[in-house]
Amino acid sequence: QITLKESGPTLVKPTQTLTLTCTFSGFSLTTDTMGVAWIRQPPGKALEWLALIYSTDGERYNPSLKTRLTISKDTSKNQVVLTMTTMDPVDTATYYCAHHVQFSNWFDPWGQGTLVTVSS
Amino acid sequence: QSALTQPRSVSGSPGQSVTISCTGTSSNVGVYNYVSWYQQHPGKTPKLIIYDVTKRPSGVPDRFSGSKSGNTASLTISGLQAEDEADYYCCSYAGTYTHWLFGGGTKLTVL
Repeated sequence: QITLKESGPTLVKPTQTLTLTCTFSGFSLTTDTMGVAWIRQPPGKALEWLALIYSTDGERYNPSLKTRLTISKDTSKNQVVLTMTTMDPVDTATYYCAHHVQFSNWFDPWGQGTLVTVSS
Repeated sequence: QSALTQPRSVSGSPGQSVTISCTGTSSNVGVYNYVSWYQQHPGKTPKLIIYDVTKRPSGVPDRFSGSKSGNTASLTISGLQAEDEADYYCCSYAGTYTHWLFGGGTKLTVL
């Protein structure tokens, strides 16, 4: 059974850098074709795909946020880390990580999400 | 690229069928058979219910079906049940630059 859980700060100040961690089980990022994506959802609004990292094929980024995002993995800890720089109140959202298999085009399952509020 | 376009809301009575549309362009929905749909109950995590336009993951009732015509994908829910009341999001692969796009979401109300 695959599970994922997000962790990180619930409140960040404008201009700060956000660091979120996704801790997962049930698969390994040392196995070919495995991947973890980050997706966010502002309160009452739509989902937005942010970034994805593969076990062996690098990273992918939302082009509109690419300059602010970095995704990385720690295979020994079964963790994926997302950093987002220059946070702004519009970045207030629930941030989800989700399991992805390379060459597929869906995300399943998702973590429970973590709400990040950007405010001074 | 803008998000895929979905109606803000749809409604139906128990037992009826409803269809939710997801309109993209020839750069995403129109060219790839890689549309997925997610169900999200209030305060809950999105759940995959359709992938690759028409396929259902194990455990998803066959009341849920997907289709596509041109640049528009559709999710049809037949035999509506109260527990189907939720938000529904479509998602499409959009190529090696944009990668994945989500729709704006549709709120389904079961009357």
